[in-house]
Amino acid sequence: EDQVTQSPEALRLQEGESSSLNCSYTVSGLRGLFWYRQDPGKGPEFLFTLYSAGEEKEKERLKATLTKKESFLHITAPKPEDSATYLCAVQTWGKLQFGAGTQVVVTP
Amino acid sequence: DAGVIQSPRHEVTEMGQEVTLRCKPISGHNSLFWYRQTMMRGLELLIYFNNNVPIDDSGMPEDRFSAKMPNASFSTLKIQPSEPRDSAVYFCASRKGTSGSSYNEQFFGPGTRLTVL
Repeated sequence: EDQVTQSPEALRLQEGESSSLNCSYTVSGLRGLFWYRQDPGKGPEFLFTLYSAGEEKEKERLKATLTKKESFLHITAPKPEDSATYLCAVQTWGKLQFGAGTQVVVTP
Repeated sequence: DAGVIQSPRHEVTEMGQEVTLRCKPISGHNSLFWYRQTMMRGLELLIYFNNNVPIDDSGMPEDRFSAKMPNASFSTLKIQPSEPRDSAVYFCASRKGTSGSSYNEQFFGPGTRLTVL
């Protein structure tokens, strides 16, 4: 059975304190791994797509990496506006399966 | 681009009433998805369409739920009769392309917060 597990469930950071979020997966036939950001009361907002092991993508303070079993979202020197829930999702044939998310709070 | 549009944004209804949620996908996108999000179960796929045709409705919880896509720019999710356990945020998402060795990202609407009393 396909599974997507995100850790930790919640993360509290001081402004400037870098950290990483983990997304581990067991799926048959990965056709893409996606990272989304979700703010309270809003829909998920697309961040990155990764397709193959070794691939990396960057956007401002965020960097996503992918191996054959997991993906990491690195947050470098976070700011309070980076506070959100970060969702990882794996694309198999036809369907996108989401993890439960990591809630990140960055305090000044 | 206006993005994915959903209406209403909030819906409060009483148990037993019919509820209809609406979605307008991004122009040019040919896949459309309906999700439900709750604290307990997270984000769950209910049904998706490719080129207006329902492909997989295995996530629809019961026969009380139905979805239609009469054309490329409009879809509805209907719950009849509604029950308190249907209370959740319902998201519509659209994507360019239907299938292949790799997939494009899905773009989500703002969601409809449904409360069934």
